[in-house]
Amino acid sequence: ETGVTQTPRHLVMGMTNKKSLKCEQHLGHNAMYWYKQSAKKPLELMFVYNFKEQTENNSVPSRFSPECPNSSHLFLHLHTLQPEDSALYLCASSQPGTEDWAYGYTFGSGTRLTVV
Amino acid sequence: ILNVEQSPQSLHVQEGDSTNFTCSFPSSNFYALHWYRWETAKSPEALFVMTLNGDEKKKGRISATLNTKEGYSYLYIKGSQPEDSATYLCAFRDNNDMRFGAGTRLTVKP
Repeated sequence: ETGVTQTPRHLVMGMTNKKSLKCEQHLGHNAMYWYKQSAKKPLELMFVYNFKEQTENNSVPSRFSPECPNSSHLFLHLHTLQPEDSALYLCASSQPGTEDWAYGYTFGSGTRLTVV
Repeated sequence: ILNVEQSPQSLHVQEGDSTNFTCSFPSSNFYALHWYRWETAKSPEALFVMTLNGDEKKKGRISATLNTKEGYSYLYIKGSQPEDSATYLCAFRDNNDMRFGAGTRLTVKP
């Protein structure tokens, strides 16, 4: 366990379903991230939250909707997804601040999403 | 180089072999280079953070070097063991972002 917990581990959903991914950390970190990992591609940054405020949205389609109610929890709400959205969705956290570039991210184990 | 590139994409070695792989990254606006080890169905786990040109880091049988002027880092594994089988990710950190490579998938056969 890294301290970042993602649920569910696996999710199969239809294109008309609405579902949510959850990420939780109790490391005291104030930055949280959603990444998408498709086969043989680099991790693709989707959203960044710093101190509960969204600071980055990497041109992600509106069918993905993030929510950060507090600095320990991050959600990714999914609605009318496409089969090409099938991927591993990773959550990470870090502690922003002076020299934060010297500190890496703590990752969860990911949610394997399949859209049918 | 604008992106982070890792080579080879995958590697199969025999137990006991030593191996190495490469991470290439932009040589401008460098802040740090991170290496992660990612076992299947687990979380990516931080291995090293390297910040200075010429840095060398070591953890057990795994070591890494850094050349920020030419934009590359090498990861070495000495005497590979089956438990070293994983994907090794590198990530380039500038003043804004962390950009990841696609990883090198290492399989060590007993």
